[in-house]
Amino acid sequence: NAGVMQNPRHLVRRRGQEARLRCSPMKGHSHVYWYRQLPEEGLKFMVYLQKENIIDESGMPKERFSAEFPKEGPSILRIQQVVRGDSAAYFCASSPGGPGQGNTEAFFGQGTRLTVV
Amino acid sequence: AQSVSQHNHHVILSEAASLELGCNYSYGGTVNLFWYVQYPGQHLQLLLKYFSGDPLVKGIKGFEAEFIKSKFSFNLRKPSVQWSDTAEYFCAVMRSSNTGKLIFGQGTTLQVKP
Repeated sequence: NAGVMQNPRHLVRRRGQEARLRCSPMKGHSHVYWYRQLPEEGLKFMVYLQKENIIDESGMPKERFSAEFPKEGPSILRIQQVVRGDSAAYFCASSPGGPGQGNTEAFFGQGTRLTVV
Repeated sequence: AQSVSQHNHHVILSEAASLELGCNYSYGGTVNLFWYVQYPGQHLQLLLKYFSGDPLVKGIKGFEAEFIKSKFSFNLRKPSVQWSDTAEYFCAVMRSSNTGKLIFGQGTTLQVKP
């Protein structure tokens, strides 16, 4: 059973370009979480998605950032018109159930390190 | 502001020394608590978790943590560290009434000298 797969592992973008980060959850997991880790800081929650639904996006910046988790395919975190401050490690986690469903342990991917030049 | 605090940013120990990493949180109500470890170049792995029951939780690789509700603490311990424990350690809190998102501390980098 493959773990949570994120790609690419490293992504370099020039200011103003778009960044697309992909996350394939573990098999059987329908809950996906995105976190961002800025240099010298801990991981910060961004968004929680189930298939085709955004459940909690309280940690997402209001502009330029969006996320989706379609019925088929990986979850995508999209950053439009990137700026230097977007440089960070972006981690995806998946779990088999949501809160209140018994098992809320999250399994993390290796992350995508975004560098904006 | 509600937060998770890890007191030690960078810890250096010699092999066989004992380890204790502090973690405090400021949320009221029921919480679930976690410690994750991130070895260099790898993903976060769960060391241990507390949901309910015995406040002394044993995890993988000889780690344990004690939940002290009155102190809002969940400190991580290991009696004798090894060089292979060199990694970054993250404490995280999930509020039971929440959407399952984790609130992380800033992380503690542990360096074990052989």
